[in-house]
Amino acid sequence: GENVEQHPSTLSVQEGDSAVIKCTYSDSASNYFPWYKQELGKRPQLIIDIRSNVGEKKDQRIAVTLNKTAKHFSLHITETQPEDSAVYFCAASRLMIGNEKLTFGTGTRLTIIP
Amino acid sequence: DTAVSQTPKYLVTQMGNDKSIKCEQNLGHDTMYWYKQDSKKFLKIMFSYNNKELIINETVPNRFSPKSPDKAHLNLHINSLELGDSAVYFCASSHPGGMNTGELFFGEGSRLTVL
Repeated sequence: GENVEQHPSTLSVQEGDSAVIKCTYSDSASNYFPWYKQELGKRPQLIIDIRSNVGEKKDQRIAVTLNKTAKHFSLHITETQPEDSAVYFCAASRLMIGNEKLTFGTGTRLTIIP
Repeated sequence: DTAVSQTPKYLVTQMGNDKSIKCEQNLGHDTMYWYKQDSKKFLKIMFSYNNKELIINETVPNRFSPKSPDKAHLNLHINSLELGDSAVYFCASSHPGGMNTGELFFGEGSRLTVL
């Protein structure tokens, strides 16, 4: 089955600086790579995703890059703000009809220092 | 307005008891899931149902039994609760296959504490 590793487990950055979280996956058939943000005491929510036919995707201050050959993908947050503080999860799956088994990474606790 | 709702939000019980968590979604999704998030925040899939049919059943003790009376509901019943069952249990749903975006819509979570 799929195995997703995520680093670092904790990350502290100064407000306004950039944050980068990296993940690797094991299943070369995986074709969908979302990132979820979970604020304290809340549910995980999708913030950005990328499919295997794309190398990079950007949405305002958030970007994700994918290297299929190396089987790794990364989340980049620029101009960090206090509200970016949360736990971030990467995930990987084979998108299939009726069976989207997302395997999550172990999470990164991001703290933005004002 | 709530898309995926779970009840109860908090559950405190003694070891050996049996308890249930209910989940309902009003998004019209065909697929529903149960995820377990332990104290270290690891999110692990337990079960997945597609249109009332069990699709994914991870290595979960058979004390855990999901039930899907219809595609909008997926309940989780746990027998003979153990200390290690303490966790937050998230229900989730996703789009039907033909319009599949892959996005999981999570409920608010049910925090189970076994004493």
